[in-house]
Amino acid sequence: NAGVTQTPKFQVLKTGQSMTLQCAQDMNHEYMSWYRQDPGMGLRLIHYSVGAGITDQGEVPNGYNVSRSTTEDFPLRLLSAAPSQTSVYFCASSYSRGPLHFGNGTRLTVT
Amino acid sequence: AQSVTQLGSHVSVSEGALVLLRCNYSSSVPPYLFWYVQYPNQGLQLLLKYTSAATLVKGINGFEAEFKKSETSFHLTKPSAHMSDAAEYFCAVSVPNTGNQFYFGTGTSLTVIP
Repeated sequence: NAGVTQTPKFQVLKTGQSMTLQCAQDMNHEYMSWYRQDPGMGLRLIHYSVGAGITDQGEVPNGYNVSRSTTEDFPLRLLSAAPSQTSVYFCASSYSRGPLHFGNGTRLTVT
Repeated sequence: AQSVTQLGSHVSVSEGALVLLRCNYSSSVPPYLFWYVQYPNQGLQLLLKYTSAATLVKGINGFEAEFKKSETSFHLTKPSAHMSDAAEYFCAVSVPNTGNQFYFGTGTSLTVIP
């Protein structure tokens, strides 16, 4: 049972490049979400999904897109990377009212 | 709006001493409350959760937390610190029927002194 799997673990981008962070879960959770973690700011919600085909914005959605075509996958797309998007990104999944299960994170640096 | 405040971004305790990490929340409706622990270069791991059952919640690794509605607090305690407890701790709140959105505090880094 892999839980929540994120790839890649590390990524360096140049300003203006685009990329997709992958997230997959094998627990049949309906809820999936993306957070970014920055020093002194805790975790902030970027986007979330309550089921396949349904997504919504969180606290800091600008510069990111998501889609949810299957229950298992919830990729996060950076459209045009900026240095302000340098962060550690966590994907999480859960049942309704359940605790979040986190992946091990993707450390992104934008130069 | 929901918010979570963790008092003290850094806490140091001696090995064997009491651990107390503070968390206060604001919520317009009864929330669910959680504590997570993060070890270096890892994801967050659930320590314990409060979901409107018993107000004193026991978690993994000897940690427990008490929900006090009158104080809007959910402080985390452990009677005797161990070196392996050194990590970052996050308090979080979720509000039912909001797409399971979680709101996190800014974290408390716990150092255990031998």
